[in-house]
Amino acid sequence: GDSVTQMEGPVTLSEEAFLTINCTYTATGYPSLFWYVQYPGEGLQLLLKATKADDKGSNKGFEATYRKETTSFHLEKGSVQVSDSAVYFCALTSGGGKLIFGQGTELSVKP
Amino acid sequence: GAGVSQSPSNKVTEKGKDVELRCDPISGHTALYWYRQSLGQGLEFLIYFQGNSAPDKSGLPSDRFSAERTGGSVSTLTIQRTQQEDSAVYLCASSLASGSSYEQYFGPGTRLTVT
Repeated sequence: GDSVTQMEGPVTLSEEAFLTINCTYTATGYPSLFWYVQYPGEGLQLLLKATKADDKGSNKGFEATYRKETTSFHLEKGSVQVSDSAVYFCALTSGGGKLIFGQGTELSVKP
Repeated sequence: GAGVSQSPSNKVTEKGKDVELRCDPISGHTALYWYRQSLGQGLEFLIYFQGNSAPDKSGLPSDRFSAERTGGSVSTLTIQRTQQEDSAVYLCASSLASGSSYEQYFGPGTRLTVT
């Protein structure tokens, strides 16, 4: 079945460091790909998405490009802030729009 | 407008008891999804509704779990004879319609603890 694998955390970075969180997927068909974020004490919210190959999703300085040839959707940010500390989930849509999530990567940014 | 709401926010129950978790989707959203977030299993899909029908129940872990949706709005997830492994945060999400084109909006979740 469809699945998502993302790099294990926790990831600890200093403020203004470059962030990459790797995400790869296995899917039949052509899923849409998503990054969701869960800030401490808050609910899941959509960070960015891409619906077809070579699309780039971006939001709040974060970017991810849908790479069909490598089945990847890596999350990047050029300069992280303390406020980016959260758990990040990579996901794809399967039948009916249900989301299949990766295991989540906890990011901690130190001042 | 109001977002997705869930009640109760926290529920502690004894093993063997039944529990009901409620989800109020965003008004006008025809699709509703239930997920479970637990330490051991991460975020898992349980069931989704399009209107009052449930085309995909494949994520329900056992026949102790059931869900219904009435009037195309509120949904209730029922767990019968709860077990300790049912302890998790149960999340509900809604979207304008089912399908990958539509963003899902998540509620704050219900934290279930089975003692």
